[in-house]
Amino acid sequence: DTEVTQTPKHLVMGMTNKKSLKCEQHMGHRAMYWYKQKAKKPPELMFVYSYEKLSINESVPSRFSPECPNSSLLNLHLHALQPEDSALYLCASSQDRGDSPLHFGNGTRLTVT
Amino acid sequence: AQKVTQAQTEISVVEKEDVTLDCVYETRDTTYYLFWYKQPPSGELVFLIRRNSFDEQNEISGRYSWNFQKSTSSFNFTITASQVVDSAVYFCALSEFTNAGKSTFGDGTTLTVKP
Repeated sequence: DTEVTQTPKHLVMGMTNKKSLKCEQHMGHRAMYWYKQKAKKPPELMFVYSYEKLSINESVPSRFSPECPNSSLLNLHLHALQPEDSALYLCASSQDRGDSPLHFGNGTRLTVT
Repeated sequence: AQKVTQAQTEISVVEKEDVTLDCVYETRDTTYYLFWYKQPPSGELVFLIRRNSFDEQNEISGRYSWNFQKSTSSFNFTITASQVVDSAVYFCALSEFTNAGKSTFGDGTTLTVKP
């Protein structure tokens, strides 16, 4: 069983919709991440939260808006997405150290129509 | 800048064969960490192993073994007596001490184990 839970598993949205992806972890990790993964590609880092503060934004378009309400929760708010944003969105958590492995959720498969 | 190269895009073996997945990395840091992750068709990335740059001891875990060689900047992964359940995409990743939070992933190797 994964210790990082993501909802929903699948999401289909139109380009004018607003939706949110949710992620929850209860491992006491203080770093949380959003990754985007296209088919047959490695995960691409989007955002990193460290101790509930945004520490890394990999020049992600503003139509993606992250939020970390508390140390266990991470959201990704989506608005006015493009079809090319269709991908698997993965949440991960870790201890806030370079040697700490990432613990991933099952991901949300997003389709933008 | 850090870089991870997995030259093998796809590997196909028959069950019970041994298979080695290659990983070569580049970094300027003297302290860094290497990881292997497995992504089965279900999609979830699963952590397999971590190695610190100052620990070159090889490791064996069941049918899995890892060979870390700083002299060649390689961190190879061998599966002995492969099974169909080993079919997955395997990613090698690098994290630098001075750049914690930004793991660099290789492009992945898709392993198919046929019965």
